[in-house]
Amino acid sequence: KAGVTQTPRYLIKTRGQQVTLSCSPISGHRSVSWYQQTPGQGLQFLFEYFSETQRNKGNFPGRFSGRQFSNSRSEMNVSTLELGDSALYLCASSLEAGRFTTGELFFGEGSRLTVL
Amino acid sequence: DQQVKQNSPSLSVQEGRISILNCDYTNSMFDYFLWYKKYPAEGPTFLISISSIKDKNEDGRFTVFLNKSAKHLSLHIVPSQPGDSAVYFCAASVGGTASKLTFGTGTRLQVTL
Repeated sequence: KAGVTQTPRYLIKTRGQQVTLSCSPISGHRSVSWYQQTPGQGLQFLFEYFSETQRNKGNFPGRFSGRQFSNSRSEMNVSTLELGDSALYLCASSLEAGRFTTGELFFGEGSRLTVL
Repeated sequence: DQQVKQNSPSLSVQEGRISILNCDYTNSMFDYFLWYKKYPAEGPTFLISISSIKDKNEDGRFTVFLNKSAKHLSLHIVPSQPGDSAVYFCAASVGGTASKLTFGTGTRLQVTL
């Protein structure tokens, strides 16, 4: 089956602009999470959506937002871009399961954002 | 404040030998721990996990050990193969699921011939 698809794969923006990234989860997966990867910080959790509701949120400013649609596809938006927002943004989907029954987040290849 | 730490940015091991990757954590609320592997230009892929009620979990060549009193876990790869060369991330969560993972900064493993 098809994996997690993220678009666009690469993009360049300038400071002050806004950007929208898209993520299509694996068919049947209803949970979608977003992570930011930077060289010094590793992967940092942005937010998680389940059935169109934000279930968890990381420690990022309000410029970072997201949403999930009824078909489980998700988008994240970053407004008023700053140089420090340059990063690889990774989306991951998973099946809903109980405690300790799964460890699998299926990650996409990421969207690499460069802010100039 | 880095709650999950991988203090070795890189590790080089000969093919056939054991690779040991280490991870320390500070948050005592973490109860589920995972290892992911990442190749360049690909997203991370899940390797193995362990819950806080266990101290060891094995899957083929991969074994994860958890020492709760020391807040330390390690991933052992035996025997190491060239295809294991990748960046390995340790991750942890509260609540026993893969939600809201806190990742370490990764260790780059190189397996040499």
